[in-house]
Amino acid sequence: GDSVTQMEGPVTLSEEAFLTINCTYTATGYPSLFWYVQYPGEGLQLLLKATKADDKGSNKGFEATYRKETTSFHLEKGSVQVSDSAVYFCALTTYSSASKIIFGSGTRLSIRP
Amino acid sequence: EPEVTQTPSHQVTQMGQEVILRCVPISNHLYFYWYRQILGQKVEFLVSFYNNEISEKSEIFDDQFSVERPDGSNFTLKIRSTKLEDSAMYFCASLGQTGKESSGNTIYFGEGSWLTVV
Repeated sequence: GDSVTQMEGPVTLSEEAFLTINCTYTATGYPSLFWYVQYPGEGLQLLLKATKADDKGSNKGFEATYRKETTSFHLEKGSVQVSDSAVYFCALTTYSSASKIIFGSGTRLSIRP
Repeated sequence: EPEVTQTPSHQVTQMGQEVILRCVPISNHLYFYWYRQILGQKVEFLVSFYNNEISEKSEIFDDQFSVERPDGSNFTLKIRSTKLEDSAMYFCASLGQTGKESSGNTIYFGEGSWLTVV
């Protein structure tokens, strides 16, 4: 079945460091891919998305490129801030399972000042 | 920015009591969902709803749970007899193309309803 695998956390970085959170997926059909962010004590916010191969989603300095050849959608940011501390979830929907969003397990990110 | 709204934001209930969590999805969306997140854990799918009926449900969604779209705008999750292990954040979501999307579908989540069963 369709699934999402994220790198295990927690990830701890210093401010202004480069961030990569790996995400790979398994899906039949052509999934749309998403990154959601959950700040402490809050709900899920859509961070960025990509709907087809080679699309790049970007928002708030974060980027992720839909790589069909490697079935990946890694999240990157060039210079993280303390305010980026949160849990990040990779997710997908496909037309074959259009009735469901499939989430990865989440990666907790902590940024040291 | 389109918005899914949920009420209540937080509810404390005694074990065995019935709870109804309410959601107002985005108005022209077609698919509706409930998810839950036990504190510090992953986001788990409960149920999806399309065309006024359940399209899929997980093992978690047993006979204690039910969903309804009573009036064409609200989407509710009912837990008939709450258990301690039902304590979690419950997220409503809706899916569908909105007038502002250039392509593809986007899933929007509400802020969540914290349920604490004591």
